[in-house]
Amino acid sequence: QITLKESGPTLVKPTQTLTLTCTFSGFSLSTREVGVGWVRQPPGKALEWLALIYWDDDKRYTPSLRSGLTITKDTSKSQVVLTMTNMDPVDTATYYCARCLGGGNSCYFDYWGQGTLVTVSS
Amino acid sequence: DIVMTQSPDSLAVSLGERATINCKSSQSVLYSSYNKNYLVWYQQKPGQPPRLLIYWASTRGSGVPDRFSGSGSGTDFTLTISSLQAEDVAVYYCQQYYNTPYTFGQGTKLEI
Repeated sequence: QITLKESGPTLVKPTQTLTLTCTFSGFSLSTREVGVGWVRQPPGKALEWLALIYWDDDKRYTPSLRSGLTITKDTSKSQVVLTMTNMDPVDTATYYCARCLGGGNSCYFDYWGQGTLVTVSS
Repeated sequence: DIVMTQSPDSLAVSLGERATINCKSSQSVLYSSYNKNYLVWYQQKPGQPPRLLIYWASTRGSGVPDRFSGSGSGTDFTLTISSLQAEDVAVYYCQQYYNTPYTFGQGTKLEI
């Protein structure tokens, strides 16, 4: 059974750094053509792809946020960590992590966590 | 970035009727070497995460009812629900995974 769960603060202040952890089970991030990514969704709005890390440690980011995002993995702990610097109220959203499955350097999200709502406010 | 545009933004369909949602990409998401379209459809119900429905544009995900089907190639894609059930009320998103950043459509809200 594949599960993913996001954890981290529910409230951060503007300019602070957000650190979110995705803890997963039922698969390994050392398996070829597997990745874990992050997607966010502001309240009432559409999904936005943020970042992805592949089994081989290849990392991809959305260009609009690239300078503020870092994604890392700890295969032994079955965890992926996303950090986002200089948080702003517009970054208020539900943040999801998801397993990415596919071929080559492309993949689609087949399993998702329940998401965690992060509010940015002073 | 590849821009994904869905139509319509919202749709009301009667129970048992067909629902059709369109998705257009600003450039082709067909990888000709593999003859595969890098296009996925998700369903999202209120308060829930997205659920995978269709990948490679036309392959149903595990456990997805066969009333859901995907079609299209290149830049134009369609999600069809052949006979709408009450539990299909949701927002539907298409997403391309041809190039990063992987981009989503704006969503289509399906109502009865």
